[in-house]
Amino acid sequence: AQTVTQSQPEMSVQEAETVTLSCTYDTSENNYYLFWYKQPPSRQMILVIRQEAYKQQNATENRFSVNFQKAAKSFSLKISDSQLGDTAMYFCAFFDYRNSGYALNFGKGTSLLVTP
Amino acid sequence: DSGVTQTPKHLITATGQRVTLRCSPRSGDLSVYWYQQSLDQGLQFLIQYYNGEERAKGNILERFSAQQFPDLHSELNLSSLELGDSALYFCASSAPGTSGGAVTDTQYFGPGTRLTVL
Repeated sequence: AQTVTQSQPEMSVQEAETVTLSCTYDTSENNYYLFWYKQPPSRQMILVIRQEAYKQQNATENRFSVNFQKAAKSFSLKISDSQLGDTAMYFCAFFDYRNSGYALNFGKGTSLLVTP
Repeated sequence: DSGVTQTPKHLITATGQRVTLRCSPRSGDLSVYWYQQSLDQGLQFLIQYYNGEERAKGNILERFSAQQFPDLHSELNLSSLELGDSALYFCASSAPGTSGGAVTDTQYFGPGTRLTVL
């Protein structure tokens, strides 16, 4: 079974600081995609960043970047210069084609609180 | 705004009833996915349709069914509702594509339908 593990249920960071959210996954595939989605209190699921497994370069989107370690099956999200609007639940997701079409397998999420 | 629309936003109904959730994908997207988010189960994939045909099934109950119409909108039908079906139901859509041999299919989510079964 393909699994995604987020080991930090809750995290807190002060405004303007940097925080890293962890994610590990398990797969036997070689080509796949990984994603981080953000779910603010509005409950909308918002794509934050994605990483192609065949690319060695880590993906970056403005203040968000990932540390992708393919051999270790690790995919952490770094948020720099944290802002109050970053307060949300963050989900790591793995694109699982072999077992369930093109469905996303989600981790249980990390609740991030950004404090003033 | 992801471009994916879902109606209704909220739905309150009683046990044993049947409801229909509607989703319109982003313009040009052929795939529609349904997910259920509940407190105890987290985010779970239910079913995927691609251009009108069922592509993949996840943890979808037999009481639930879905379809995708020729105009590509999709409906999720939930019947014989139970208290445990109370959840947030998301629809997502994606455009097919490949890059470097890997399937791209980034999914964009709608705002969800909050279902409450009393």
